[in-house]
Formats: sequence, structure tokens, C-alpha cells
Amino acid sequence: DVKVTQSSRYLVKRTGEKVFLECVQDMDHENMFWYRQDPGLGLRLIYFSYDVKMKEKGDIPEGYSVSREKKERFSLILESASTNQTSMYLCALTGTSGQPQHFGDGTRLSIL
Amino acid sequence: AQTVTQSQPEMSVQEAETVTLSCTYDTSESDYYLFWYKQPPSRQMILVIRQEAYKQQNATENRFSVNFQKAAKSFSLKISDSQLGDAAMYFCALIQGAQKLVFGQGTRLTINP
Repeated sequence: DVKVTQSSRYLVKRTGEKVFLECVQDMDHENMFWYRQDPGLGLRLIYFSYDVKMKEKGDIPEGYSVSREKKERFSLILESASTNQTSMYLCALTGTSGQPQHFGDGTRLSIL
Repeated sequence: AQTVTQSQPEMSVQEAETVTLSCTYDTSESDYYLFWYKQPPSRQMILVIRQEAYKQQNATENRFSVNFQKAAKSFSLKISDSQLGDAAMYFCALIQGAQKLVFGQGTRLTINP
């Protein structure tokens, strides 16, 4: 089974802090994704990466950045956390075209 | 732009009965894939069923089946013989080309014993 590990299930940070969310995979998949999930809005794509050091903006990239220095690790960075970034964050990955994405367990992030 | 719409924020069904969750989508492409994901309270997103747009035959996985109407851009999920463990948020999703999933808003399914 594919294992997608997110570093924290719950995280509480303060406004203005720089926040790192980590995602690690145990497969050799190229494609990795970061989503945020909000009630009534479903999941929305923040950023994705096709390979090491490659990244592309999703639908809601503002206020976020990403890093992919190694194939197995994809980090989401909140440069200066704000209260409207309080949300559930989900990491996902996939291999070939048309195959379903595998998800981590999610990080519930609260910004106070 | 691709969009996915789930018009039922909440649904409930009696245990052992059948329920259908609705999903419509919009895309200009002819080649794409559709999915239903389940998210129980544990938060783990679990793939329920997958449909290739070029296949006319509706996908089936045990008690779960879809009604895929390509011309109408409709992709509903039918759950037969509902069980307590089916209670969850259900998300419809569309993927094409560059692997990006587009999700609907979700439907919360409650199973009444």
C-alpha cells in the first residue's frame, strides 16, 4: 500500500508565524499535491509538483509557497500565517495519468 | 475551467436501504476520469470508485455503483444495502490531463440504524 505521511495531525500557530507542513511518501511517485479543505467548499488545490524542484500554482496559491528538494518530500509553507488560513490541509500523490490520488491523513491547522 | 457540483450538502438513509448521491461536472475535454472519494471521521480520503470517460459501461465496486451520463455530464453514486460504516463525507472529483483533481463541495451521508 502507498503510504503518505503528514508530519502533524493537529497544529496551532500564531498570526505572522512562518509555518511548515511536511508530507513524505514511501513510493517513487512524481506527482505530489497540497489541498486545503473547508466546509462547503470541498478540497481546493494550493500547489503541486511534478518532480524535484518543480512546482506549479494551483487554484489558491496566495499566501503559500512550496518546496520539493527530494522526490519523497513535499513541503507547504505559510510565509506569514493569517487567521483565514485556519483549515484542514491534505497532501496527495499519484503516479500515472488517470490513476486515483493517495491522500495523507490531513493536518488540522489553527491560526490564532 | 473544470467544475464539479454536488447539490446535496447532506443526505440520510435507513440502514440496509439504497441511497443515490448526485454529482454534475463541466469540462471541455473528451478524455477524463471521474472518482468518488469517501472521507470518514478519521479524515482518511478513501477511493470508492473510478470511471473512465471513454467507457460507456458504468463502474461497479461491490455495493457501490455509478450512473455515468456523459452527454448530461452527470456522475451519481448509488450505495446499495447501506451500512453504518458508510457514514462519511463523499466527494465527487474530476481529473484530466495534468493530474489535477477538481472536487465537488461534498455530501455528508448519515446512516440511520
